[in-house]
Amino acid sequence: SQQGEEDPQALSIQEGENATMNCSYKTSINNLQWYRQNSGRGLVHLILIRSNEREKHSGRLRVTLDTSKKSSSLLITASRAADTASYFCATDSGTYKYIFGTGTRLKVLA
Amino acid sequence: NAGVTQTPKFQVLKTGQSMTLQCAQDMNHNSMYWYRQDPGMGLRLIYYSASEGTTDKGEVPNGYNVSRLNKREFSLRLESAAPSQTSVYFCASSVTHSGNTIYFGEGSWLTVV
Repeated sequence: SQQGEEDPQALSIQEGENATMNCSYKTSINNLQWYRQNSGRGLVHLILIRSNEREKHSGRLRVTLDTSKKSSSLLITASRAADTASYFCATDSGTYKYIFGTGTRLKVLA
Repeated sequence: NAGVTQTPKFQVLKTGQSMTLQCAQDMNHNSMYWYRQDPGMGLRLIYYSASEGTTDKGEVPNGYNVSRLNKREFSLRLESAAPSQTSVYFCASSVTHSGNTIYFGEGSWLTVV
């Protein structure tokens, strides 16, 4: 079964708005990563947050991690049409493999 | 810098045929992975190789075999393809198995008819 589950499954917003997507997972983790996938392409790494961190920023991205709730959120501020993609969380439980969630499809309307 | 290269990009197979997906990385990474991606299912791990000389099953290994030929190359073989194996396959690599960015290839679209 999937370790991570993203929510919502799909999100449609206007350019300039903020987009928030969430990831819930089931077991303890060492770190959690977020990836973006443009249609028909491979996944691209966005940000990694370790289990002892609560918040991390990278440009217009803000990631939070709540290990007590086993959840993470990805916030994209001032979204652009180019942010249209699917976003996945990936959890690392130290078991020699990364487990990906089912993804959130984000559509940013110009 | 090519990163992770996988071939072929597209393939159509008949049920029962065999084929091998090739993957190579030029980043001197220790760990390599094969995932499949199906609509609504996200990415599911088929097999992984934590380091050269080792391979282990992931979530959905049935119907597949892998070979870590050397540090650079990690191939995925379908011995007797089935329609249920129609999917997009991604090879990936990382420095080590934990705490590192995963780099993905561009995907291989496989259709089994």
